[in-house]
Amino acid sequence: DIVMTQSPDSLAVSLGERATINCKSSRSVLYSSNNRNYLAWYQQKPRQPPKLLIYWASTRESGVPDRFSGSGSGTDFTLTISSLQAEDVAVYYCQQYYSTPFTFGPGTKVDIK
Amino acid sequence: EVQLLESGGGLVQPGGSLRLSCAASGFTFSNYAVSWVRQAPGMGLEWVSAICGSGGSTYYADSVKGRFTISRDNSKNTLYLQMNSLRAEDTAIYYCAKVVGASCYGSADYWGQGTLVTVSS
Repeated sequence: DIVMTQSPDSLAVSLGERATINCKSSRSVLYSSNNRNYLAWYQQKPRQPPKLLIYWASTRESGVPDRFSGSGSGTDFTLTISSLQAEDVAVYYCQQYYSTPFTFGPGTKVDIK
Repeated sequence: EVQLLESGGGLVQPGGSLRLSCAASGFTFSNYAVSWVRQAPGMGLEWVSAICGSGGSTYYADSVKGRFTISRDNSKNTLYLQMNSLRAEDTAIYYCAKVVGASCYGSADYWGQGTLVTVSS
């Protein structure tokens, strides 16, 4: 199974400042035949289901604010919130869908400083 | 508007069975893979199972393989999860999620609100 790790476990950022979350996979999730990274990012607010933010590691889902961006390739990935807003307080998960089981990272909790 | 509505959760004794349903609307159900993801109280997300579009291939997490069965009825736009030999560690909110395409190898773009399964004596 591909093991997903995230860092940090939690972070507190001032409003308007940048938040950066890292995700690492134990094996590459880059599929060479189509040059796509099978990696998604989700946001989960309290008492709500997860919401898709980013897929193919860097493609923003429709309707997601452009302050959210994804980057990385192979085994190392980053989710960046360029200017943190109050509504961004949530837990963020990465997930690989390269091979089953489609494992999630443990999550990173983002709070306001 | 895409909607996913889970049902069938509840309290069950260890070793018991439960069948979850997920009623889908707002999209052509048979054309898309769908999956189950669970979340134990206060914990992170765990992928459980997926079934590809048109009722093709199925996949399971090792933790549920041999005990859970995913299936779909495209005529009823409904996804199911038959859960047998339930254990305390199966206690969780179970979410139904639509995958972006017919292939199971995709991200989940729509999620239901979840149904709570509690395994306890």
